[in-house]
Amino acid sequence: EVQLVESGGGLVRPGGSLRLSCAASGFTFSSYEVNWVRQAPGKGMEWVSYISTSGSTVYYADSVKGRSTVSRDNAKNSLFLQMDSLRAEDTAVYFCARVKSWARAFDIWGQGTMVTVSS
Amino acid sequence: DIQMTQSPSTLSASVGDRVTITCRASQSISNWLAWYQQKPGKAPKLLIYKASNLESGVPSRFSGSGSGTEFTLTISSLQPDDFATYYCQQYNSYSPWAFGQGTKVEIK
Repeated sequence: EVQLVESGGGLVRPGGSLRLSCAASGFTFSSYEVNWVRQAPGKGMEWVSYISTSGSTVYYADSVKGRSTVSRDNAKNSLFLQMDSLRAEDTAVYFCARVKSWARAFDIWGQGTMVTVSS
Repeated sequence: DIQMTQSPSTLSASVGDRVTITCRASQSISNWLAWYQQKPGKAPKLLIYKASNLESGVPSRFSGSGSGTEFTLTISSLQPDDFATYYCQQYNSYSPWAFGQGTKVEIK
């Protein structure tokens, strides 16, 4: 079964750090670009970050730029998001999502992991 | 950055109704537009990609159209399973991926 499974969420204090992980299975992970997308409670979807197949190209939303680092380990079929200097407004469910190659849409999503930033 | 605006924000409809949701981009995105369905507590599900291409496994009552800055998602005959929130999403190489604010389809 093709799937993505996130982990690493939790409760963290403002200014703290968290590393999210996304484990891929059922497909050749190294052949696909992947993204992080988040959704604050009761709000819409917000694209967060992108990484190319090799990891050589990354993009970030302005809201997390300078505070987050996306990376991947193709040998371990894993995607990561290191988040530093966390703020209350970073509270959200974080999803990893696979890019449907040339179509540029997100065809496979994980179930999400909740990050809560609160003192 | 490219902004995506969906309308309406909320839509009340009955089973069997024809439903149309509109998404407008702040600048031309050609046909780089996708539509997703999300149910509470679940991840979004891809319905339409490249404006009008139906994702595998998605019922044919869903269709998409448009290009440039104006796009529509149509559900030809609303079914009980279709009550959900729908998002459009654009792709542009210089302003990667942005979502609309969502349209909630409610039971009338």
